[in-house]
Amino acid sequence: AQSVTQLGSHVSVSEGALVLLRCNYSSSVPPYLFWYVQYPNQGLQLLLKYTSAATLVKGINGFEAEFKKSETSFHLTKPSAHMSDAAEYFCAVRVYNQGGKLIFGQGTELSVKP
Amino acid sequence: EPEVTQTPSHQVTQMGQEVILRCVPISNHLYFYWYRQILGQKVEFLVSFYNNEISEKSEIFDDQFSVERPDGSNFTLKIRSTKLEDSAMYFCASSHGQGGNYEQYFGPGTRLTVT
Repeated sequence: AQSVTQLGSHVSVSEGALVLLRCNYSSSVPPYLFWYVQYPNQGLQLLLKYTSAATLVKGINGFEAEFKKSETSFHLTKPSAHMSDAAEYFCAVRVYNQGGKLIFGQGTELSVKP
Repeated sequence: EPEVTQTPSHQVTQMGQEVILRCVPISNHLYFYWYRQILGQKVEFLVSFYNNEISEKSEIFDDQFSVERPDGSNFTLKIRSTKLEDSAMYFCASSHGQGGNYEQYFGPGTRLTVT
């Protein structure tokens, strides 16, 4: 079965500091992985995706993630945090079947201090 | 840019009542999904729909739940007799699902409150 684990339910950084949100996956087949962001009282917005092409994936708002098969990780990073990055971030893996449902991690709430 | 839309944004209902949550997926997408998020918890899969039939459903999606695509644009989730524990944010999502385009696009959600 496929799953994702997000380490750290809450991460706090200062404005301008590096953002690192951790995601580890479990999958017996090459995974399709996604990061979504959820701003307060809003839906889920796709940040970036990994679909077995380049291992370093660039997304919107300056975020990127690196797929590391040896570490079964897909951590999300941003070199310099902005106040507007404060949100909940979800890592997800697509299940490899006809339906293709997403299995989400528990989410990481990112706080950005001025 | 095309987007998934959902109505209503907020629905309050009494326990035992039927509710229908509506979604308009992105027009050329082929796969449709419902997820829910209980307050403070992670997003959970409910059901996927393809080619006018359910392709997968979760344990949560019991006989009280049903989905329908009544026309070429709408995708609905019906809860026949709501329970208190059905209170959650319900998200609709759609995906093209072919040619490697597997990413799912989510609507803004419907917050369902059962009293």
